[in-house]
Amino acid sequence: NAGVMQNPRHLVRRRGQEARLRCSPMKGHSHVYWYRQLPEEGLKFMVYLQKENIIDESGMPKERFSAEFPKEGPSILRIQQVVRGDSAAYFCASSVATGSSGSEQYFGPGTRLTVT
Amino acid sequence: AQSVTQPDIHITVSEGASLELRCNYSYGATPYLFWYVQSPGQGLQLLLKYFSGDTLVQGIKGFEAEFKRSQSSFNLRKPSVHWSDAAEYFCAVAHNTNAGKSTFGDGTTLTVKP
Repeated sequence: NAGVMQNPRHLVRRRGQEARLRCSPMKGHSHVYWYRQLPEEGLKFMVYLQKENIIDESGMPKERFSAEFPKEGPSILRIQQVVRGDSAAYFCASSVATGSSGSEQYFGPGTRLTVT
Repeated sequence: AQSVTQPDIHITVSEGASLELRCNYSYGATPYLFWYVQSPGQGLQLLLKYFSGDTLVQGIKGFEAEFKRSQSSFNLRKPSVHWSDAAEYFCAVAHNTNAGKSTFGDGTTLTVKP
């Protein structure tokens, strides 16, 4: 059973370009979470999605950032008009469900975004 | 709102010595608690978790953690550290409802001296 897959692993964008980060959850997992890790910091929650639904986007910046988890295909975190401050590692996690058996999240290897 | 504090930013121990990494949380109900380890440039690996029951939980790689409700703590311990344990360690708390998201501490970097 493959783990959580993220691609690309490394992404370089110039200021003003768009960044698209992809996450394929573990087989059988229908819940996806995105976290951002700035240098020397812990992970900060961004958004929680189920298939075709955004459940909690309280950690998403109000502008330029969006996320989706379509019925088919991976979850996408999209950053428009990137700025240097967006440089970070972006981690995706997935879980079977929530509640006592589902709160355990499995993390992908992350995408390291560098904005030049 | 839930929060996690890891008071020690950086800890250095000698190989073979014991280790304790501190974690304090703030949460209104019984929390779900986790410890993760992250090696440089890698993702997070779950070491252990606490949902309910026995307050001393065993994890992988010889780690254990004890949930102390009275102190709002969930400290990670290992009796004898190996050089390969050098990494960054994160404590996290999750809602025990259907909210799903986890709140992470800022991490403790462990250095192991030979």
